[in-house]
Amino acid sequence: GQSLEQPSEVTAVEGAIVQINCTYQTSGFYGLSWYQQHDGGAPTFLSYNALDGLEETGRFSSFLSRSDSYGYLLLQELQMKDSASYFCAVRARSQGTALIFGKGTTLSVSS
Amino acid sequence: DVKVTQSSRYLVKRTGEKVFLECVQDMDHENMFWYRQDPGLGLRLIYFSYDVKMKEKGDIPEGYSVSREKKERFSLILESASTNQTSMYLCASRVGPTNYGYTFGSGTRLTVV
Repeated sequence: GQSLEQPSEVTAVEGAIVQINCTYQTSGFYGLSWYQQHDGGAPTFLSYNALDGLEETGRFSSFLSRSDSYGYLLLQELQMKDSASYFCAVRARSQGTALIFGKGTTLSVSS
Repeated sequence: DVKVTQSSRYLVKRTGEKVFLECVQDMDHENMFWYRQDPGLGLRLIYFSYDVKMKEKGDIPEGYSVSREKKERFSLILESASTNQTSMYLCASRVGPTNYGYTFGSGTRLTVV
């Protein structure tokens, strides 16, 4: 089967940098995605890594190491509006390329 | 922008009822998915469909079925609702199997009493 591990909660202050880690076990791995979900809202797509390395999109970056089955989401210059849940998700042949999600990390940003 | 519309935001149903959750997308996406979301468990895949009249079981298909008669519509059916199916149900679509970005609907919060 497949499994994903990510921390359940992270807290930080405005302006700080936070890293949310994700380790995964799956067969036929294609790539790792990150989604953001605000309370009461729908998950929205943030990033996707298929190859090793860092992908940067504005204040958010995502990293993947396929050999370590590990990735992270890096959020810089944190703002209050970044308070949300963040999910990593693997795209793998084992589930017909449907995304399998982690349990989510709740990020709380305080002033 | 792609829109994924779920017909109801909130539903309350009785144990044993047959429940239909409807999802419609407006961008001709091939692939559609149903997940349920529970606190501390994340999103769990129930069923997905890669094309009309096609369906595949996800991780937790027991107690559910699906229907995809038209490309834009993917229905989740609870054959006989039970209290352990009380949950948030999320529908998503994507262009095709090589595309990685899902668009989610706003969700249906189902309560079975």
